[in-house]
Amino acid sequence: NAGVTQTPKFQVLKTGQSMTLQCAQDMNHEYMSWYRQDPGMGLRLIHYSVGAGITDQGEVPNGYNVSRSTTEDFPLRLLSAAPSQTSVYFCASSLGQGTYTEAFFGQGTRLTVV
Amino acid sequence: AQSVAQPEDQVNVAEGNPLTVKCTYSVSGNPYLFWYVQYPNRGLQFLLKYITGDNLVKGSYGFEAEFNKSQTSFHLKKPSALVSDSALYFCAVRDRPTGRRALTFGSGTRLQVQP
Repeated sequence: NAGVTQTPKFQVLKTGQSMTLQCAQDMNHEYMSWYRQDPGMGLRLIHYSVGAGITDQGEVPNGYNVSRSTTEDFPLRLLSAAPSQTSVYFCASSLGQGTYTEAFFGQGTRLTVV
Repeated sequence: AQSVAQPEDQVNVAEGNPLTVKCTYSVSGNPYLFWYVQYPNRGLQFLLKYITGDNLVKGSYGFEAEFNKSQTSFHLKKPSALVSDSALYFCAVRDRPTGRRALTFGSGTRLQVQP
């Protein structure tokens, strides 16, 4: 059971480039979300999805797009990378029954924008 | 809106001593509360959660947390700290009922256990 898998683990982008961070889970979880982790700020929610075809914005959605065409996959797209998007990105998933189930996190993607 | 505060950036404790990592929360209704731990270069791992019932919740690796509704707190505790407990700890809350099912995290507390 692989859990939540994120790729790539590391990435360096130039300002203005675009890229997609991949996230896949094999636990048949309905809920998936993307967070960014910055020093002293904890984890901030970027986008989340309550099921295939349904997404919504979190606290810091600007500059990011998401889609959820399948239950398993929830990619995060950076449209035009900026140095302010240098961060560690985590994908998480949780079960659909109620809101009391714990989230499972991927290993993270460390992104540097130069 | 839901929010979480972890007032201490870092907690230092000697091995064998009890430890406490503080967390307070704000929600409009009744909360679901969680603690996660992050080891270097790793994702977050679930430690324990409070949903309902007994205010003292026991979790992984000997950790426990006490829910205090009047003080809106959910402090993480361990009777005897280990050097291997050194890590970054996050408190998180999810409001219930809510259509917004994602977690809100605190800023994290770094626990340093000295030998």
